[in-house]
Amino acid sequence: QVQLLESGGGVVQPGGSLRLSCGATGFIFSNYGMHWVRQAPGKGLEWVAFAWYDGSNAYYADSVKGRFAVSRDNSKNTVYLQMHSLRGEDTALYYCTKGSDSGWYFDSWGQGTLVTVSS
Amino acid sequence: QSALTQPRSVSGSPGQSVTISCTGTSSDIATYNYVSWYQHHPGKAPKLMIYDVTKRPSGVPDRFSGSKSGYAASLIISGLQAEDEAVYYCCSYAGAHTGVFGGGTKVTVL
Repeated sequence: QVQLLESGGGVVQPGGSLRLSCGATGFIFSNYGMHWVRQAPGKGLEWVAFAWYDGSNAYYADSVKGRFAVSRDNSKNTVYLQMHSLRGEDTALYYCTKGSDSGWYFDSWGQGTLVTVSS
Repeated sequence: QSALTQPRSVSGSPGQSVTISCTGTSSDIATYNYVSWYQHHPGKAPKLMIYDVTKRPSGVPDRFSGSKSGYAASLIISGLQAEDEAVYYCCSYAGAHTGVFGGGTKVTVL
């Protein structure tokens, strides 16, 4: 079955950088787009970023555009989220999700990795 | 990319039906038939319950159904059960390969 395992979270100072990773198993990784979705403490879900199946295109929420970059290595079945210029409002649990083969929905989710931006 | 609007909470007794609304704009729900719903229990990963407005993934009970009219989508839970108590989020495609979630609705089983 599909499994997604995020890693790389931690505590970082404002203005700092962090790279999250998400390893995928149980499906043909190179056939699917991959997304990152986050949840700030006590808040709802927020879509963050989307990488095409081949990594040729990437799309971002306005709140992270210009600061975050999503990429993938299909030879390692892994998607990444590089985060720069981190702010307090980026503090959240970051989920990796598998995209759909048509439409727009997230049919599998990881357990999340926690990013805390604090001095 | 403004968040979709959901009620903060709804409640019902076991066996009753509850409806969760999700209101968007002409940039998302009104234009695209790509509304999905997720069930989120505390400490667990969100779970897809409905996609493409009305479709149910395999394994999701048929007590869960979805609909859409104009700027709003709805999730209906019929025959409410104790295990349905969770936070539910709607999500819509918003064009240009972006998406937007609602703020979440806490369903309480009385």
